[in-house]
Amino acid sequence: DVKVTQSSRYLVKRTGEKVFLECVQDMDHENMFWYRQDPGLGLRLIYFSYDVKMKEKGDIPEGYSVSREKKERFSLILESASTNQTSMYLCASSPAGGFEQYFGPGTRLTVT
Amino acid sequence: GQQLNQSPQSMFIQEGEDVSMNCTSSSIFNTWLWYKQDPGEGPVLLIALYKAGELTSNGRLTAQFGITRKDSFLNISASIPSDVGIYFCAGRTIYGGATNKLIFGTGTLLAVQP
Repeated sequence: DVKVTQSSRYLVKRTGEKVFLECVQDMDHENMFWYRQDPGLGLRLIYFSYDVKMKEKGDIPEGYSVSREKKERFSLILESASTNQTSMYLCASSPAGGFEQYFGPGTRLTVT
Repeated sequence: GQQLNQSPQSMFIQEGEDVSMNCTSSSIFNTWLWYKQDPGEGPVLLIALYKAGELTSNGRLTAQFGITRKDSFLNISASIPSDVGIYFCAGRTIYGGATNKLIFGTGTLLAVQP
């Protein structure tokens, strides 16, 4: 079974803090994705990566950056957290040439 | 970003009833996926569809890839309380190019009364 893990289930940070969200997958997938999920807005793609050190902007990249130094790990960085970044963050992975994305359990981030 | 139209937005049913929901798009899709999300958890893949007209089952769940390639349907038979959650459709258009990006539906919230 594909397993995608996220470093924290719940996180509370203060405005202005730098925040790191980590995601690890164990199925040797090439593609990894970061989404945020908000009531009424559904899943929105922040960034994705199709290879180590490669990244592409999704629909809402502003205020975020990502890092993929190893194939199994994809990090989402909030350079200076703001209250409007309070959300559920979901990481997913998929194999090369495959479109089935497998999600982690999510990190509920609250910025106060 | 584009979102798929999913209906109904919510359903409140009695245990044992059958459930139907659908997803529509203005674009032609070559892949349809259905996910279920429990409260506070990440979405879990239920069914994947790759060909127009394809009908695939997973236990009490059956999904179909519409023949127009612009829609998909999910049916749940004989619902049980653990079917509660949000059901999402997702898909990839024929214009998706080389990327593996998906477009997601707005979700259907299912509540089952025991």
